[in-house]
Amino acid sequence: EAQVTQNPRYLITVTGKKLTVTCSQNMNHEYMSWYRQDPGLGLRQIYYSMNVEVTDKGDVPEGYKVSRKEKRNFPLILESPSPNQTSLYFCASSEYPRHPQETQYFGPGTRLLVL
Amino acid sequence: KQEVTQIPAALSVPEGENLVLNCSFTDSAIYNLQWFRQDPGKGLTSLLLIQSSQREQTSGRLNASLDKSSGRSTLYIAASQPGDSATYLCAVKGPGANSKLTFGKGITLSVRP
Repeated sequence: EAQVTQNPRYLITVTGKKLTVTCSQNMNHEYMSWYRQDPGLGLRQIYYSMNVEVTDKGDVPEGYKVSRKEKRNFPLILESPSPNQTSLYFCASSEYPRHPQETQYFGPGTRLLVL
Repeated sequence: KQEVTQIPAALSVPEGENLVLNCSFTDSAIYNLQWFRQDPGKGLTSLLLIQSSQREQTSGRLNASLDKSSGRSTLYIAASQPGDSATYLCAVKGPGANSKLTFGKGITLSVRP
């Protein structure tokens, strides 16, 4: 089954404790992206990757890092989480991101609480 | 900067009613517009995608229209059912290199039995 998976689905942590949220897709997609969803703000792009070893900032990259060493994986790293990073995080992927007909496939989301 | 607006934020209707959800965007230079459904605590499911060159798309009881020049889209749901209760998000894809989707804040729909 074609899918985007994220782990963990739920995470409670404390301020300053480094964490990684994994994202994996099995569709051989070149493009991958991370979004965060907050009440009243909607979904906003954090980082994106056009291909292996090619990453760039989205609208809200502060406090986050990403890497793209393999095509299928795009982990989101919070090196020193803070309470304002409490949010619902979504990973997405697509095959031809600039094609007008192309949709993005979303993972199930990771709910993060930083105390 | 692209902005996507969905009003109202919440809507409650009785079962069986036909309804229209509205979406507006400020920059008409888009590749496509998508409507997503999000159930509480869940991910996003793509419902319909309209390319910038198209006027509408249909899937079952759903019909989405696009008027790019006026910056508007509507999602029409026919004969609504309690199972349609969810948050509906509108998103536009711009021509930028990052291929990001710019989302509206969503409309939370409740269909009463």
